Amino acid sequence: DTGVSQDPRHKITKRGQNVTFRCDPISEHNRLYWYRQTLGQGPEFLTYFQNEAQLEKSRLLSDRFSAERPKGSFSTLEIQRTEQGDSAMYLCASSTPGQGAYEQYFGPGTRLTVT
Amino acid sequence: GDSVTQMEGPVTLSEEAFLTINCTYTATGYPSLFWYVQYPGEGLQLLLKATKADDKGSNKGFEATYRKETTSFHLEKGSVQVSDSAVYFCALSEDYGQNFVFGPGTRLSVLP
Repeated sequence: DTGVSQDPRHKITKRGQNVTFRCDPISEHNRLYWYRQTLGQGPEFLTYFQNEAQLEKSRLLSDRFSAERPKGSFSTLEIQRTEQGDSAMYLCASSTPGQGAYEQYFGPGTRLTVT
Repeated sequence: GDSVTQMEGPVTLSEEAFLTINCTYTATGYPSLFWYVQYPGEGLQLLLKATKADDKGSNKGFEATYRKETTSFHLEKGSVQVSDSAVYFCALSEDYGQNFVFGPGTRLSVLP
C-alpha cells in the first residue's frame, strides 16, 4: 500500500492554458474524491467517483473543469482556460464504501499557480 | 447549505496544557462528524469520528463528543505534546461519505 499519489506536485501555468492533474488512489479503494483548498481554508469538495461513475459534482466545478476515472482506477482533473482564481491546492482522496467511506485517505496535493 | 465553523487560530499552548478547539455545524439532516489533522508537510488524515448523537470519538488522546442539541463537536486533549502541532479540520458528511464539508482549519502550535 503506497498511499494516494498525485502528479505533478506543483504546476505553474499562464492564464488561458489548460492543465491536467492525475491521482492514483489506494488500489482497493473504489471511491475517489477531488477537493480544492485555498490558503487558510479547508478543502472544498469538487467531485466524487464510485468506480468509474461520477456520482456527485459541486457547483464549484464550472464547465471549465472536467474529471474522469476511465477504468475505475486513476483519475484526472482537467482545467481548461485557466484563470488566476484557479490558483489553489488540488487534493485527491480515496476510500472504500460503507463504514470505510468515512476514512478518506488524502494525497499530498497538486499546487497550481496561474500567472 | 451545510457548513462548519471552527475557532480561529493560531492556538499556541505549552506542552502538557489542556486543549479545546471549538467546532459547530449547520446541517439540513443528521450528519456524521469528523476531525481531520494535517501535520506539517503531510496530507490530511482522519483523527476521529462520531456518527450519531452523544457518540464520543477518540484517538491518540484526543476526544470529541457529538452534541446534537448544541450542534457542536469540540476537540479536546488533556495534555498536548509538541508533536501535536498541526492544523486541525472539523468536517461533516450527510451522505455516508459521499460529500464532505470541511471547516477552515485551526492551526495548533505546542511549545516545549
